Amino acid sequence: NAGVTQTPKFQVLKTGQSMTLQCAQDMNHEYMSWYRQDPGMGLRLIHYSVGAGITDQGEVPNGYNVSRSTTEDFPLRLLSAAPSQTSVYFCASSYQGLANEKLFFGSGTQLSVL
Amino acid sequence: AQTVTQSQPEMSVQEAETVTLSCTYDTSESNYYLFWYKQPPSRQMILVIRQEAYKQQNATENRFSVNFQKAAKSFSLKISDSQLGDTAMYFCAFSFGGSNYKLTFGKGTLLTVNP
Repeated sequence: NAGVTQTPKFQVLKTGQSMTLQCAQDMNHEYMSWYRQDPGMGLRLIHYSVGAGITDQGEVPNGYNVSRSTTEDFPLRLLSAAPSQTSVYFCASSYQGLANEKLFFGSGTQLSVL
Repeated sequence: AQTVTQSQPEMSVQEAETVTLSCTYDTSESNYYLFWYKQPPSRQMILVIRQEAYKQQNATENRFSVNFQKAAKSFSLKISDSQLGDTAMYFCAFSFGGSNYKLTFGKGTLLTVNP
């Protein structure tokens, strides 16, 4: 199994540009989440999904859109990038979303917005 | 809303010694889990240990153990026989309702193990 795959690993954008961060898992996991990690801030939840067609907001959703058309994929869209969105983005997934099961993290996408 | 506080931004320890990382949290929930995650320079997130709030016994995983003080809302991580590979950022995290897909993280503690 490949686990959780995030692409790209690095990206530089100009202010106002749009892009999609990809997250895919091949483990048939229902639960998927997006976090951002800023220096000195820990990880903060952006959006999450409990299954195909179901998404909800986390702690810091502004400026980001998500959709979950398939179980495997959970893309994160930046419609108009801002310098404040410079961060490292992590995708995570688990099978049943239970605290006593393993949570799989991707290796992250480092995004710089100039 | 839940909050997780790690009051030590950086710590260092000599190889083979013991170090304790602090974490406090605030919640009105009764059913919750606490976690410690390790993030080495590779950026990978690695689960170190987890603790269910209903369990009074402190969790232990090899050289890693926790001191869970529920009334004080404290959840510290003790690393025994520190190794160079323990050098990493350590995050304390909280989840409620028995879930793992909506974690609240602390700001992290950068631990450096010196030879």
